[in-house]
Amino acid sequence: DGGITQSPKYLFRKEGQNVTLSCEQNLNHDAMYWYRQDPGQGLRLIYYSQIVNDFQKGDIAEGYSVSREKKESFPLTVTSAQKNPTAFYLCASSGQGGDQPQHFGDGTRLSIL
Amino acid sequence: AQTVTQSQPEMSVQEAETVTLSCTYDTSESDYYLFWYKQPPSRQMILVIRQEAYKQQNATENRFSVNFQKAAKSFSLKISDSQLGDAAMYFCAYRPDFGYALNFGKGTSLLVTP
Repeated sequence: DGGITQSPKYLFRKEGQNVTLSCEQNLNHDAMYWYRQDPGQGLRLIYYSQIVNDFQKGDIAEGYSVSREKKESFPLTVTSAQKNPTAFYLCASSGQGGDQPQHFGDGTRLSIL
Repeated sequence: AQTVTQSQPEMSVQEAETVTLSCTYDTSESDYYLFWYKQPPSRQMILVIRQEAYKQQNATENRFSVNFQKAAKSFSLKISDSQLGDAAMYFCAYRPDFGYALNFGKGTSLLVTP
């Protein structure tokens, strides 16, 4: 079945450490996204990519980095510059066009040790 | 920038009853898309229903329907015959026609009581 796989489900980060969240999709979607969800908040956009080797910053990109070397993969790195990384991270993908709904992975919960 | 407002942080409904969740948005665009997503305790985001702004007819998906008022910039979700499995966070989201990313509201937590 087609879908989006995020791993790991839970992740812990030590102070000063970079961690990478994985996102893989087999839906043949061109566009992929990373959102951050905090308690009592909606989802906020971190980065998105419309095509391989291209990506744009979202509303809260500081302290994060991404790459898009393959159509299927869009990993997110939470760097040590992100001072408050504890949150739930959701990856999504969609086809081209505004009418195409976004399909979401099951998320990664990141916590500080 | 477009903003999406969900004014009801929490709502409660009895099983088999009907409930309406509110959503308003602010935009200067004429073409756009609106979505309702459901997030159950598993935290998976599930698409409930979507509406194209150029369509006057309100979207319907089984027990879920919307009341789309373009002039008022309002997009409410009606859930009929509520079931225990409908208990979840519900997010309203906006997407411009030319854009890719969704703008989300802060969500409404729906409790369904027996």
